[in-house]
Amino acid sequence: TQLLEQSPQFLSIQEGENLTVYCNSSSVFSSLQWYRQEPGEGPVLLVTVVTGGEVKKLKRLTFQFGDARKDSSLHITAAQPGDTGLYLCAGRSNDYKLSFGAGTTVTVRA
Amino acid sequence: EAGVTQFPSHSVIEKGQTVTLRCDPISGHDNLYWYRRVMGKEIKFLLHFVKESKQDESGMPNNRFLAERTGGTYSTLKVQPAELEDSGVYFCASSQETGGSEQYFGPGTRLTVT
Repeated sequence: TQLLEQSPQFLSIQEGENLTVYCNSSSVFSSLQWYRQEPGEGPVLLVTVVTGGEVKKLKRLTFQFGDARKDSSLHITAAQPGDTGLYLCAGRSNDYKLSFGAGTTVTVRA
Repeated sequence: EAGVTQFPSHSVIEKGQTVTLRCDPISGHDNLYWYRRVMGKEIKFLLHFVKESKQDESGMPNNRFLAERTGGTYSTLKVQPAELEDSGVYFCASSQETGGSEQYFGPGTRLTVT
């Protein structure tokens, strides 16, 4: 079983602040994905990172894949209440099977 | 285009009863996956269909779980008999291709076994 550990488990910040969520593993993944899940819905893919050291930006969200392809981070700049949700990382070691972290619940207060 | 749909959204059953969950993938998606999240734990892979064939069922907890995808369209996941530890949220996902293709998730079915 490939274990992905996310930290922190919960994060509550004020609107306008920055936040970082971490995803760490002892295993190497061929790619790593970040999802966001809202109550009553399934996870929705935000980004896929493939290359070690890769950095991807999606508006105010910055995703980084570690050089060794074992860890990743999600950084949100100037968080807004609409960023509130459950953020999940998932590693892909073969063509299809996803191994998920337990998730980070982010709350952005107005 | 309709997304992945799951039915029911919630199910509450007693221990020992049978429950059948249904998943309708996105039209044209040959790949269908079942995942489960039990309380406080991460989402875990259960199994993977390509069309009507089971490609990988390594994540199925035990033989009380039976997944089918007759005709390669919708899929059902039956739990018989249900146990307390089966409670959780069951997600279905589908993708167009197997390798590296994005998996689109349904809203999940919340199963509570009392």
